[in-house]
Amino acid sequence: QSVLTQPPSASGTPGQRVTISCSGSSSNIGSNTVNWYQHYPGAAPKLLIYTDNQRPSGVPDRFSGSKSGTSASLAISGLQSEDETLYYCATWDDSLSGPVFGGGTKLTVL
Amino acid sequence: QVQLVESGGGVIQPGRSLRLSCAASGFTFKNYGVHWVRQAPGKGLEWLAGLSYDGRNKYYADSVKGRITASRDNSKNTLSLQMNSLRAEDSAVYYCAKDRTVRSLDWIFDSWGQGTLVTVSS
Repeated sequence: QSVLTQPPSASGTPGQRVTISCSGSSSNIGSNTVNWYQHYPGAAPKLLIYTDNQRPSGVPDRFSGSKSGTSASLAISGLQSEDETLYYCATWDDSLSGPVFGGGTKLTVL
Repeated sequence: QVQLVESGGGVIQPGRSLRLSCAASGFTFKNYGVHWVRQAPGKGLEWLAGLSYDGRNKYYADSVKGRITASRDNSKNTLSLQMNSLRAEDSAVYYCAKDRTVRSLDWIFDSWGQGTLVTVSS
C-alpha cells in the first residue's frame, strides 16, 4: 500500500481535460509541497510538476498542478495521445522522514 | 544534457549481495544531491536512499535501512548502492535520480536514469 492514494486508472478523449487526484494526510501533503512525475514504462521517469504547481522548463502548459488541504491534483488539458502513460505524485512525509510516492495512475487516451 | 546511467543489475540469489552503480554526466555532479528509487513489478515507485552533494549526509528508507549503503565518488561522478541480504521482494528496477537544488536536498528528482533490473531468485 502506498502512502499517497491515487486512482489506478483515468481516461479521456483527445482534446479533453482530465484530472488525476492524489490523497494523503496531514503528515505529508497537508504540510509539504507535491511533485508529479510522468513515467513511460522502460524509460526514465520525468519531473512534470514540482512544488505543487511549478512546471520545469520544457513541460507544456497543458500540465498543471494544484493542492488543497491533504489532496493534490494533476490536470492535463488538450489531452493528446502521447499523454497516455503513468503518472505519480510524491511529497515528503514528516512521520516517515522521507519522500513518499503515490501508487501511480495509468492514463488512457481513448 | 543531464545523463544518469545505472548498471550492475542482474539475477542474484536470495541472501547474496549486489552493488549497483550510476554514472552521471552533463552537470556538475559534486554540487547536487542524488537518490536511489526502485519500482517492483506491478508496484509504484519507492524511494530508498538520498545523499547530500558532498556525501556527508545520507538518508535511508526504513524499509531497507541496515541492508543498504549508498555512497558517491565526486571525483568519478558516480553513485553506488550496496545491497545486502537480498530478498525476493527486492526484485525491482532501480533508478538513480538527481536532486533539483544546488547544494541542498529538496527531495525533488529532476532527472532520472532509465534504471537497472535486479531479480532476486534462486
